[in-house]
Amino acid sequence: GAGVSQSPRYKVAKRGQDVALRCDPISGHVSLFWYQQALGQGPEFLTYFQNEAQLDKSGLPSDRFFAERPEGSVSTLKIQRTQQEDSAVYLCASRGGHTEAFFGQGTRLTVV
Amino acid sequence: AQKVTQAQTEISVVEKEDVTLDCVYETRDTTYYLFWYKQPPSGELVFLIRRNSFDEQNEISGRYSWNFQKSTSSFNFTITASQVVDSAVYFCALIGNQFYFGTGTSLTVIP
Repeated sequence: GAGVSQSPRYKVAKRGQDVALRCDPISGHVSLFWYQQALGQGPEFLTYFQNEAQLDKSGLPSDRFFAERPEGSVSTLKIQRTQQEDSAVYLCASRGGHTEAFFGQGTRLTVV
Repeated sequence: AQKVTQAQTEISVVEKEDVTLDCVYETRDTTYYLFWYKQPPSGELVFLIRRNSFDEQNEISGRYSWNFQKSTSSFNFTITASQVVDSAVYFCALIGNQFYFGTGTSLTVIP
């Protein structure tokens, strides 16, 4: 497709459940970012990939959060043993060179 | 440290009024990029403009205009003759190794 695609759009998880969020970036984009956006807040950085290399994961809030991009294209953000504070919209963005980042529509995660 | 401040949390204007959204940034980088994104209720972040630190020329695109002033570290965004469809949350962002977003300004245009 032409844009960044994220799936699922909505996910409801029971507390303690593991979830996996998928991001399909724009083809050829080297950089991929994950952001977490709580209700009424701006996006907060989680992690950054350049191709398959995870260059910065300083924003991951705990070791329950794990991201990968094994072939330098599709990325998966995994959250283990979800907790209520994990409820947020998770945004993925891709970027090619010194251009703007294109964002997906996000995955809204609700932990009940 | 990189930081973006959007002091205006919420703004309401009546349709056809002009409105300016403020953005102040902090960075130690000599080369950097600034962005504005729009986030409508659907949730997707929509790119509006990119400006690099060497280009202080103001830009106008239709009803949108941007005022970049390096001396005051500001990158303000003005919507002229606002419309109801402009209602959204607007984010200013700075890029270093990652995008640093402000907390956003929620704009409501009242018909």
